[in-house]
Amino acid sequence: RKEVEQDPGPFNVPEGATVAFNCTYSNSASQSFFWYRQDCRKEPKLLMSVYSSGNEDGRFTAQLNRASQYISLLIRDSKLSDSATYLCVVNRGDSSYKLIFGSGTRLLVRP
Amino acid sequence: DVKVTQSSRYLVKRTGEKVFLECVQDMDHENMFWYRQDPGLGLRLIYFSYDVKMKEKGDIPEGYSVSREKKERFSLILESASTNQTSMYLCASISGNYGYTFGSGTRLTVV
Repeated sequence: RKEVEQDPGPFNVPEGATVAFNCTYSNSASQSFFWYRQDCRKEPKLLMSVYSSGNEDGRFTAQLNRASQYISLLIRDSKLSDSATYLCVVNRGDSSYKLIFGSGTRLLVRP
Repeated sequence: DVKVTQSSRYLVKRTGEKVFLECVQDMDHENMFWYRQDPGLGLRLIYFSYDVKMKEKGDIPEGYSVSREKKERFSLILESASTNQTSMYLCASISGNYGYTFGSGTRLTVV
């Protein structure tokens, strides 16, 4: 079983749609959670951290469910520029800063 | 903003060559990482360093070594390049619990 699992997609949605991505992780000791965005042939960039209480940044909302070891990302009012791959990322639950990356969910927003 | 610079965006090397990939960060971060990214496999940790001259193997260290002689510079060395090391190589650094900052990546092709 992969340590971080994501649906690879692609999710193909029209502009203005709301889309949600889910991710599960296997290590119950993980304490830090992130969503990264990666454009084609570019490096991953931090989109947002995910906090236990849930957090929002503009059109993006992240939720964490520790009991189910599940993280979600909701994108409202999708823009063409949101087309990218979204990586779910967790730490290893030890004292290091090593992170584990999911393989990503690809989003295509069409006009 | 933290800047992580990788010396080459694209590199083509021959089988058996010794290859050096350089990474420099400008924010005095202690922790630096080398990942490779392959389609369907996501990002996999090769090596990381938590201080000058301190290093630890990641999940896939075979065929690689690293050097960290100065805090700002973390080098990845392919001792004898092979075709299965054709990949995108990503360097990252981190301070605190705020997620990684990645370099722009080096796309290495071994022929």
